[in-house]
Amino acid sequence: GAVVSQHPSRVICKSGTSVKIECRSLDFQATTMFWYRQFPKKSLMLMATSNEGSKATYEQGVEKDKFLINHASLTLSTLTVTSAHPEDSSFYICSASPLAGAGEQFFGPGTRLTVL
Amino acid sequence: QKEVEQNSGPLSVPEGAIASLNCTYSDRGSQSFFWYRQYSGKSPELIMSIYSNGDKEDGRFTAQLNKASQYVSLLIRDSQPSDSATYLCAVKDRTGGFKTIFGAGTRLFVKA
Repeated sequence: GAVVSQHPSRVICKSGTSVKIECRSLDFQATTMFWYRQFPKKSLMLMATSNEGSKATYEQGVEKDKFLINHASLTLSTLTVTSAHPEDSSFYICSASPLAGAGEQFFGPGTRLTVL
Repeated sequence: QKEVEQNSGPLSVPEGAIASLNCTYSDRGSQSFFWYRQYSGKSPELIMSIYSNGDKEDGRFTAQLNKASQYVSLLIRDSQPSDSATYLCAVKDRTGGFKTIFGAGTRLFVKA
C-alpha cells in the first residue's frame, strides 16, 4: 500500500509555543491531504482538507488561524499549531490518497502532542 | 447530516471464531467503502476497500456490501488475539470533494 510518514511522532511543548507537524507521501503524489485529531477512546475528527497550491478547507469549529496548514508540494503538507494550549494536546493524524476522488486513503503514523 | 453508524462494542469472540462487524450509512450517493483497523495509540490502517455490491475476500477478511440496504460488513475468519483492535468503517461519496466519513468504530476483543 501507499506510505505516508509524519514527523515528529511525539512532541512535548510549553504553552504559548508553536509546533509544526510534517506529513509526507513517500511513494505517491497527493493533491489532497487530510488532517485529523483524535482524543483518547474517541473517533477521528476531521480538522481540514489540505489542497496543494491552494488554501486549506477547514471543518466547522476549527480555527484556521490557530491550526495553520500549508500544502507546498504534491508530497508535503504541514500543520502548525500556533500558541499551543494544554487543550490542544491530542493525537494528530494526516492522511492522503494516491488517486483523486473515491479512492483509498492512507494514514500517517500520527503525532502525539502534549502541551504543558 | 451524513452518518456512518457502528456498534461501539466491545465485541468479544473466542480465538478461531468468526468476528462479524457491521456498519450502516445514511447517504445513498456513497460510492466507496473502507474498513480500517486501529490499534490503541496507533493510527488507522486500511485493511479492506469495496466499491460494488457483493463480497470481497482478502485472506481472512471478507467485506460485504449491500447498497440497497446501505449496509457494509467485515467478517474476520479464524480470529486471532492480534486482531483485537478498533475497526473503523469509512464511506466516501462524490459530494463535498469525496470527503471520507468515519464511523466511531467497533472494539473487538479476541480471547485466547
